[in-house]
Amino acid sequence: ETGVTQSPTHLIKTRGQQVTLRCSSQSGHNTVSWYQQALGQGPQFIFQYYREEENGRGNFPPRFSGLQFPNYSSELNVNALELDDSALYLCASNSQEGGETQYFGPGTRLLVL
Amino acid sequence: QKEVEQNSGPLSVPEGAIASLNCTYSDRGSQSFFWYRQYSGKSPELIMFIYSNGDKEDGRFTAQLNKASQYVSLLIRDSQPSDSATYLCAVSSGGSYIPTFGRGTSLIVHP
Repeated sequence: ETGVTQSPTHLIKTRGQQVTLRCSSQSGHNTVSWYQQALGQGPQFIFQYYREEENGRGNFPPRFSGLQFPNYSSELNVNALELDDSALYLCASNSQEGGETQYFGPGTRLLVL
Repeated sequence: QKEVEQNSGPLSVPEGAIASLNCTYSDRGSQSFFWYRQYSGKSPELIMFIYSNGDKEDGRFTAQLNKASQYVSLLIRDSQPSDSATYLCAVSSGGSYIPTFGRGTSLIVHP
């Protein structure tokens, strides 16, 4: 167990809906990264937050947005869901001052029908 | 675009053998290299990281890095059926804290 938690564990939505996924970082970690992992693929970087500011973004459309809160927990919001958004969404945390090794939460499995 | 390549496998080895997993990367500026293990339906779990050329050993696992040839490998000695999983290679440039992942290699250790 890494100390990174995510909620919910599973979610079913329909096309066009909106979804919010949540992540609590490991104690002492100030950086949260979000990844999308489709079946049979490696995790694809969505974005990263460091001390409440976006610190990098992958090749995802603007309908993927996020937040980081003062306690370093984070949210991933996806608007106008598409069928291809069905995937495992992973949150990883690290401390930039303590090293870049990222530790993953258990993930949220999203199914879009 | 930074790329990390892994053979998707599956790599099948008998119990007790050495499993060798390989990864190549495109960005010559890469400085940090990670191996994660991912069981089916679970999230990635860090096994090892390596920053310097050469070998790094941790129990049954050895990571090997060759920056000149741009490859990193993971050796698993005395493979066990419980090692059966997908192994993800991740690479990041110094200071970016944003690793690029390969698609993973599926390892099957059969009794």
